[in-house]
Amino acid sequence: LAKTTQPISMDSYEGQEVNITCSHNNIATNDYITWYQQFPSQGPRFIIQGYKTKVTNEVASLFIPADRKSSTLSLPRVSLSDTAVYYCLVGATYNYGQNFVFGPGTRLSVLP
Amino acid sequence: EADIYQTPRYLVIGTGKKITLECSQTMGHDKMYWYQQDPGMELHLIHYSYGVNSTEKGDLSSESTVSRIRTEHFPLTLESARPSHTSQYLCATRVSPPLLAGDGDTQYFGPGTRLTVL
Repeated sequence: LAKTTQPISMDSYEGQEVNITCSHNNIATNDYITWYQQFPSQGPRFIIQGYKTKVTNEVASLFIPADRKSSTLSLPRVSLSDTAVYYCLVGATYNYGQNFVFGPGTRLSVLP
Repeated sequence: EADIYQTPRYLVIGTGKKITLECSQTMGHDKMYWYQQDPGMELHLIHYSYGVNSTEKGDLSSESTVSRIRTEHFPLTLESARPSHTSQYLCATRVSPPLLAGDGDTQYFGPGTRLTVL
C-alpha cells in the first residue's frame, strides 16, 4: 500500500490559490490518487481523483507528473469555508484486500 | 452523491451501558467501513465488511463489534461503554466504478456519531 506524505498544516488568505502537494514515491501501476476534504465534526468528502496528468472539476484541479510519485491539489481562490483537513489517498480500484489509509492530512486554515 | 445515514448523531451515555450505532445506506454498496476519529486526530479503521455475513477487524483494535445481516445496514455495538470509547464514529461505503470507466474506487462517508461516555 503506497504511503503518502503531505504537509501537516498550511495557512492562506481569502482569494489566494492554494496548492497542497502529496508525495507517494512507491505508488503502484494500478493505483489512483484521490483527495478528500473533511470539515470538523463531519465525515470526509470526495473532492477529486486522478491517475495521471491533470484533472479538473468544479471544485479543484489535480496535477500529477509523469512519474506519478507526487500529486498537487490546487484550490483556486479559496474562501473561509475552505478551511478544512485535506487527505491524499493512493489505492487501486477493485482491490478490496487493500483498505484506504487516511493519514494525518493537511490542515488548511484560510484567513480573512 | 451517496446516501449514508448514521443515528444517533450525538449520544451521551453512562459507563457500562450497551449501545448500538446505526449505519444505513441506500446505494446497495457491498463494502462498508467503520472509522473512529478523536477531535483533530486521524481516522482509524476499526471494522469493515465486504458484503452480507462478512465482517473483519480493522487496523485499530476496538472493543466494539459489528454485524452485516443486510446489505443496507452495518450497525456497531459496544456491550459496555467506557469513557475511553468517547470519540466520533464514522461509517463509510466503498464503490468501484464500472469496468473501463477509467476511474478509481471512491469512499462515501456518513455524517458521523459523536459518542460521549461519562
